[in-house]
Amino acid sequence: DQQVKQNSPSLSVQEGRISILNCDYTNSMFDYFLWYKKYPAEGPTFLISISSIKDKNEDGRFTVFLNKSAKHLSLHIVPSQPGDSAVYFCAASDGKSTFGDGTTLTVKP
Amino acid sequence: DAGVIQSPRHEVTEMGQEVTLRCKPISGHDYLFWYRQTMMRGLELLIYFNNNVPIDDSGMPEDRFSAKMPNASFSTLKIQPSEPRDSAVYFCASSTERRAFFGQGTRLTVV
Repeated sequence: DQQVKQNSPSLSVQEGRISILNCDYTNSMFDYFLWYKKYPAEGPTFLISISSIKDKNEDGRFTVFLNKSAKHLSLHIVPSQPGDSAVYFCAASDGKSTFGDGTTLTVKP
Repeated sequence: DAGVIQSPRHEVTEMGQEVTLRCKPISGHDYLFWYRQTMMRGLELLIYFNNNVPIDDSGMPEDRFSAKMPNASFSTLKIQPSEPRDSAVYFCASSTERRAFFGQGTRLTVV
């Protein structure tokens, strides 16, 4: 049973618009959530995180929202840029991180 | 710091051969993780260590896989014997808190 799910394998948006990537989890023991970005031929790199005691964390163009009751988190990128094109992994942690399958974001100029 | 260093970057081997992947974590990090990425299964955790001690190896697919961490600065993931279905990108990551730092991965191809 997959504990962290990213139901959209891919997302395409126009430059300057908002990108919204979604993630659902099932384990109530997860208390920390992270987003990673991955370019081809590279390892994932940390992007932004949020503790379960918060419902929003913002860092520049990136904002992560957490809805604990729905066991859902999302990553908003505003405005989207072509350089944001990458695979985005959601991860949920209870000490060790469990990753979703990733969403490939394409930002078109 | 140079980050997490993995070697080799690419490995092509014949079925039945032994394969050893290597990882040097970031100095001071007390957690080390081995992940495998495939198209079918995404990014899956194989095993992780805390202070050089294996904590959870439930993700290791079979007895053909083994991992060691003889000291705080080195870990290996060994596959013996290798099979074509082991072809994947293997990532090592280290962390001191919740945020993991990944190496660039080893792309393994078993023919």
